[in-house]
Amino acid sequence: AQKITQTQPGMFVQEKEAVTLDCTYDTSDPSYGLFWYKQPSSGEMIFLIYQGSYDQQNATEGRYSLNFQKARKSANLVISASQLGDSAMYFCAISNFGNEKLTFGTGTRLTIIP
Amino acid sequence: GAVVSQHPSRVICKSGTSVKIECRSLDFQATTMFWYRQFPKKSLMLMATSNEGSKATYEQGVEKDKFLINHASLTLSTLTVTSAHPEDSSFYICSASPTGNVVGNTIYFGEGSWLTVV
Repeated sequence: AQKITQTQPGMFVQEKEAVTLDCTYDTSDPSYGLFWYKQPSSGEMIFLIYQGSYDQQNATEGRYSLNFQKARKSANLVISASQLGDSAMYFCAISNFGNEKLTFGTGTRLTIIP
Repeated sequence: GAVVSQHPSRVICKSGTSVKIECRSLDFQATTMFWYRQFPKKSLMLMATSNEGSKATYEQGVEKDKFLINHASLTLSTLTVTSAHPEDSSFYICSASPTGNVVGNTIYFGEGSWLTVV
């Protein structure tokens, strides 16, 4: 079984500052993928970034980067230069490599303060 | 890019009636699709895996007779909530990946459907 733990139910960050959202995982599978999604109040799931378990480098996508520490089983999301539009729920998720079935964490509600 | 479309986005139905939600991949084929349920301010929980041309695989605790899933083509899966009750009110969202996808970052979600049973 796979499990995702997000320990921050809510965070408030000043606009233009960087923010780190924590995610730790547990899995017995040797190959897996880690995902971060953004969910605004409309409900849609917006894909942000992906990290494969065998990727040597941390993933980056624009203002998003994933701090992947395999030995510690953590996959924290870093958002640089936060914007008001970043206010949303953020979910970390895991899947077996090549399997599209996702296990989600409980999410972190990020609020950007002007 | 690839898009998954879900319909309806919002539906209100009377208790005891059934409601159908469609999940459609618009520009790729998907042999499997996934249905998730999300209660307010909660996480997404996988309900079932929809398999094209065969029976769906349900997660533990999900009533297969209540949540009927049909995957009749490579681009369409439907979720029917039968004899709906107020406790079925929730956000339902589907996901899909192109058939043969071996890179995990091509999982696409539909827009989701808000179901309210009154």
